[in-house]
Amino acid sequence: AQTVTQSQPEMSVQEAETVTLSCTYDTSESDYYLFWYKQPPSRQMILVIRQEAYKQQNATENRFSVNFQKAAKSFSLKISDSQLGDAAMYFCAYRSAVSGNQFYFGTGTSLTVIP
Amino acid sequence: DAGVIQSPRHEVTEMGQEVTLRCKPISGHNSLFWYRQTMMRGLELLIYFNNNVPIDDSGMPEDRFSAKMPNASFSTLKIQPSEPRDSAVYFCASSRGPGELFFGEGSRLTVL
Repeated sequence: AQTVTQSQPEMSVQEAETVTLSCTYDTSESDYYLFWYKQPPSRQMILVIRQEAYKQQNATENRFSVNFQKAAKSFSLKISDSQLGDAAMYFCAYRSAVSGNQFYFGTGTSLTVIP
Repeated sequence: DAGVIQSPRHEVTEMGQEVTLRCKPISGHNSLFWYRQTMMRGLELLIYFNNNVPIDDSGMPEDRFSAKMPNASFSTLKIQPSEPRDSAVYFCASSRGPGELFFGEGSRLTVL
């Protein structure tokens, strides 16, 4: 089974600064999707950004961008100009494009934004 | 477009009682997932359905848990009898094809 590893249980960033959350995954597949989800205290899981493995260009959504290194199986999330509303738990997730529908989630990184 | 709808948002019950959690996926989505989230174990996949058919229920803790999807617009997760260790937030999520999951707001279950 695929595994997703988030090695940083907690991170903090000063408001307006930039922070990078790490994620690595293990797979033998070549076609898959990667996601970052945000879970604020309200608890609903919200999609932040997605990346298709066949795309070489890193995905970007406003202040959120990823650094996708397919050979290294690394998928980090960069948050620029951090805002208080970015404080949340962030989960990295993997989904195969071919073998079944199952998602694999990391254990999450709790991000604190310091005013 | 309405998102994934879960009910109830909160449920407090006593040990031994039956609990039924409900989920309405987004219209047109063909996959539905049930997850459980606790501080100790994080996010765990319980079961997922594809086109209303259960594909993988290996995450269902034990026979006390059962899930059904009688049609494309409704699913239930039932716990009978409930135990204190079942206390958690239960999420339902749906997707169309191999894309992202859309989550509901979750049902917080407390078993006393």
